[in-house]
Amino acid sequence: GAVVSQHPSRVICKSGTSVKIECRSLDFQATTMFWYRQFPKQSLMLMATSNEGSKATYEQGVEKDKFLINHASLTLSTLTVTSAHPEDSSFYICSASLRNEKLFFGSGTQLSVL
Amino acid sequence: AQKVTQAQTEISVVEKEDVTLDCVYETRDTTYYLFWYKQPPSGELVFLIRRNSFDEQNEISGRYSWNFQKSTSSFNFTITASQVVDSAVYFCALSEARYGGATNKLIFGTGTLLAVQP
Repeated sequence: GAVVSQHPSRVICKSGTSVKIECRSLDFQATTMFWYRQFPKQSLMLMATSNEGSKATYEQGVEKDKFLINHASLTLSTLTVTSAHPEDSSFYICSASLRNEKLFFGSGTQLSVL
Repeated sequence: AQKVTQAQTEISVVEKEDVTLDCVYETRDTTYYLFWYKQPPSGELVFLIRRNSFDEQNEISGRYSWNFQKSTSSFNFTITASQVVDSAVYFCALSEARYGGATNKLIFGTGTLLAVQP
């Protein structure tokens, strides 16, 4: 079946640094990718919808300057957490849409900001 | 607005017991999709089922079964003869259906942590 690769799986960084997370669809072209955030023992909350070749659509309350999303190709979307702070520590997970029918999730990235 | 409610935050059962995870949803759309995902401790989301709003047939897949009741806006998930490997957080989710397919912009419930004791 289709696979979505996300890495790194875990990252620890100092406060003030930027962190880039990659999400790749390995065997299909994904016109749309989604980025979710999950705090401990909480649900997944959609952050933004990423469409190839256009600007991402952010959900209400998500800072677009803080969470930069780039979807430069049909198989790759990146999320950059700029100037990360401890409150940004969370589990970030991406998903990719196959022909607008099936949705596949990456394995997630646990971000810890010290 | 769309909303998914999973009232059970945690359930603990003993192996071989049957267990039902509840899911109630709210939407104004007439066409929508419902999903169940499993999230084991490793974190990845494992797809279990997708059901569109026009298909109210119950579905069985091995030890898993789903009961979709449009009249009560519920999409409950039952695991029969539970096993320790079923221990995970289970999420119910809802999406709109546009252009003939799912938009895949999912609204998740808060999840139910299922612990199956040996």
